[in-house]
Amino acid sequence: SQTIHQWPATLVQPVGSPLSLECTVEGTSNPNLYWYRQAAGRGLQLLFYSVGIGQISSEVPQNLSASRPQDRQFILSSKKLLLSDSGFYLCAWSDQDRGAFFGQGTRLTVV
Amino acid sequence: DAKTTQPTSMDCAEGRAANLPCNHSTISGNEYVYWYRQIHSQGPQYIIHGLKNNETNEMASLIITEDRKSSTLILPHATLRDTAVYYCIVRVVGTGGFKTIFGAGTRLFVKA
Repeated sequence: SQTIHQWPATLVQPVGSPLSLECTVEGTSNPNLYWYRQAAGRGLQLLFYSVGIGQISSEVPQNLSASRPQDRQFILSSKKLLLSDSGFYLCAWSDQDRGAFFGQGTRLTVV
Repeated sequence: DAKTTQPTSMDCAEGRAANLPCNHSTISGNEYVYWYRQIHSQGPQYIIHGLKNNETNEMASLIITEDRKSSTLILPHATLRDTAVYYCIVRVVGTGGFKTIFGAGTRLFVKA
């Protein structure tokens, strides 16, 4: 069966520090991968999606970037965090039949 | 991209059926309706999806109107653990792949 791992679960980072969140998927090959962000009490905002290694599409202009160095690895990064980057970050993968499956999320607080 | 409209919140008594409506009047012929739910501080969980026929699984039933402009998610016997935000979405085909767009959803409160 397929599983998705996302870490860390919580993170507190100072303004101006770098960020690296990692997501890996097991049990499937060539998945579509996604990064979402959810502000408190709000819906999910799609940040990036990837259909293959090295292929990244950005949905909104922002202070973040994404990379896919391996088929089942998706990384969300920032060189310098802003206060507005705080939120709940979710990684997901999808297949064509059953939609998206999500990790447990990372709660990022920028202080 | 088809958009969905859901009520902001709903209440349901424990043990009763919870019926969550969703409008998607601009849905196109090849777009599916998906339902997810998100329990506080967790990632969204897939519930069910359908194209035009009604669907049922161990979690819920999905009723899609004949014109496909609206649908209803039914939790037949709601429990306190069903309290969550429920998202109704339609699949969006992006360049080279699929993108799942989430709105604000319906916050369902199941009360004892």
